Amino acid sequence: KQEVTQIPAALSVPEGENLVLNCSFTDSAIYNLQWFRQDPGKGLTSLLLIQSSQREQTSGRLNASLDKSSGRSTLYIAASQPGDSATYLCAVWGTGGFKTIFGAGTRLFVKA
Amino acid sequence: DAMVIQNPRYQVTQFGKPVTLSCSQTLNHNVMYWYQQKSSQAPKLLFHYYDKDFNNEADTPDNFQSRRPNTSFCFLDIRSPGLGDAAMYLCATSSPGDGFNEQFFGPGTRLTVL
Repeated sequence: KQEVTQIPAALSVPEGENLVLNCSFTDSAIYNLQWFRQDPGKGLTSLLLIQSSQREQTSGRLNASLDKSSGRSTLYIAASQPGDSATYLCAVWGTGGFKTIFGAGTRLFVKA
Repeated sequence: DAMVIQNPRYQVTQFGKPVTLSCSQTLNHNVMYWYQQKSSQAPKLLFHYYDKDFNNEADTPDNFQSRRPNTSFCFLDIRSPGLGDAAMYLCATSSPGDGFNEQFFGPGTRLTVL
């Protein structure tokens, strides 16, 4: 059974710092991994999707990497800003039909 | 802009009083999902439709039902809401391709049960 874990559960950093969020999954038989952002009381916004054949994806200040064999993904945020404060969730899509398994997220707070 | 729309954004109901949440999409995606998310927890998949094919998760209570009358619309019916059903309900869509299944979410409906 696939399980997705995100550590730490919460993170506070000063503005301008580069940071890394971690996501681990137990079953390496995945097709893709997707990173989302969720603001309080809102829905999920897709940030990046990495297919299993890819090693990384970049969008602006965000870079996501995938190491399928070790069951790990990281989301790198460069030059963090207060507007980056949100919860970041990762989710994996694997061999269980259309079911996507989510982590509980990392709550990020960027201090001005 | 193509999007996923949920109505209402906030819903208050009484214990045991049926409620229906609505989701519509302009993306023309063939898969639609309903998730339940409680505070600080991962979204939990309740069920999904692939076109008209309905797929219920094994642990989704019978109290939760869904309808998809056409490609664009999907409804979540809670027949007798309990206090434990208070949560954010998220609708998502996708159009699975060759080796990828990117999901797009609506803004959610926050359900309060009194």
